[in-house]
Amino acid sequence: DAKTTQPPSMDCAEGRAANLPCNHSTISGNEYVYWYRQIHSQGPQYIIHGLKNNETNEMASLIITEDRKSSTLILPHATLRDTAVYYCIVSPRYNFNKFYFGSGTKLNVKP
Amino acid sequence: GAVVSQHPSWVICKSGTSVKIECRSLDFQATTMFWYRQFPKQSLMLMATSNEGSKATYEQGVEKDKFLINHASLTLSTLTVTSAHPEDSSFYICSALNQGGQETQYFGPGTRLLVL
Repeated sequence: DAKTTQPPSMDCAEGRAANLPCNHSTISGNEYVYWYRQIHSQGPQYIIHGLKNNETNEMASLIITEDRKSSTLILPHATLRDTAVYYCIVSPRYNFNKFYFGSGTKLNVKP
Repeated sequence: GAVVSQHPSWVICKSGTSVKIECRSLDFQATTMFWYRQFPKQSLMLMATSNEGSKATYEQGVEKDKFLINHASLTLSTLTVTSAHPEDSSFYICSALNQGGQETQYFGPGTRLLVL
């Protein structure tokens, strides 16, 4: 049950900003947008989440459009260690048994 | 903060044997934990929701008698793969819900199971 659409892969030069888009046109009013990433052969790592306002933490920024139908995860200065599969997930708060990962975007950070 | 561990990190077993995987929340209490499975080149699929002190809730198509889940304390959930077969070989990942912090789930490092 795909609720988000992400490009399968993206390239980014080391030191530059990585902007990862996500479409979630059927998002409901009570659903949050979550971003996780999975480095090869590891468990997913939480990055950031938001409802409608833009959010920023030490890892990334999350920009959500006003109509909430899409969002962008921004890694301000990508490093080689940021190479991973990035998952955009929409889910109601506290209802994580509806956490659908989808295919994600493979971000390749190149020197 | 919000660290989740799994043990073992990898295990090889013979077909027909049972394997137990532990998932621990190290610095927070988790009334709810989740178990996922990931096959090669595929995404994570939720198997079951583990609730402390009560029975687990399994997703459609996941056999509850084959994948036994016990959540006996606020920091520990276990998944036992009973009578394992080669098709059960996969990457098993748990997560724990930190309702006191960021109110999201944090994942363990995963356990790679190979059934011969």
